[in-house]
Amino acid sequence: DQQVKQNSPSLSVQEGRISILNCDYTNSMFDYFLWYKKYPAEGPTFLISISSIKDKNEDGRFTVFLNKSAKHLSLHIVPSQPGDSAVYFCAASPLNTNAGKSTFGDGTTLTVKP
Amino acid sequence: DAGVIQSPRHEVTEMGQEVTLRCKPISGHNSLFWYRQTMMRGLELLIYFNNNVPIDDSGMPEDRFSAKMPNASFSTLKIQPSEPRDSAVYFCASSLFNEQFFGPGTRLTVL
Repeated sequence: DQQVKQNSPSLSVQEGRISILNCDYTNSMFDYFLWYKKYPAEGPTFLISISSIKDKNEDGRFTVFLNKSAKHLSLHIVPSQPGDSAVYFCAASPLNTNAGKSTFGDGTTLTVKP
Repeated sequence: DAGVIQSPRHEVTEMGQEVTLRCKPISGHNSLFWYRQTMMRGLELLIYFNNNVPIDDSGMPEDRFSAKMPNASFSTLKIQPSEPRDSAVYFCASSLFNEQFFGPGTRLTVL
């Protein structure tokens, strides 16, 4: 039973346009959500997070939206740049987790074309 | 801080050999995680430690896999004996709160 799902394995967008990456979760105990970015031959790096008391969090070109009733979150990248091409992982955890344990989705490979 | 350090970065071994992967977490972090990434299974959590104590090892695939954390600054993941299907990238990560910091990974190839 996959508790965090990223249904789109890949996404391709043109430079300058918006990239929207989606994530669905099933566990209602999840209270904290994170996005990680991974380049080839590197480990994932933290990108942005949101707690369940918010429905939006913004950091520069990156915005995460949370819809708790739908158990859905999305990552928006505006404008997209070729350097954003990477694998993006969605992760979720209960807020009072045992120090950082998260459940990860399978990732979405984003390709931004120049 | 140097971040999470993993060694070796690449390991090529023959089936049946013992493999030991090493991880040094970020100083001050109290949780450590071992993951395996494959094309088929994505990013799998194998085991995680909190304050050097194994909390959940339900992701460890078989008894051939074992992990230790003898102190707050060092952990090992051992595979004995190794098999070709163990070929993957193994990541170590550490955390203090919700955000995890990943190492660069060890690419393991078992021939």
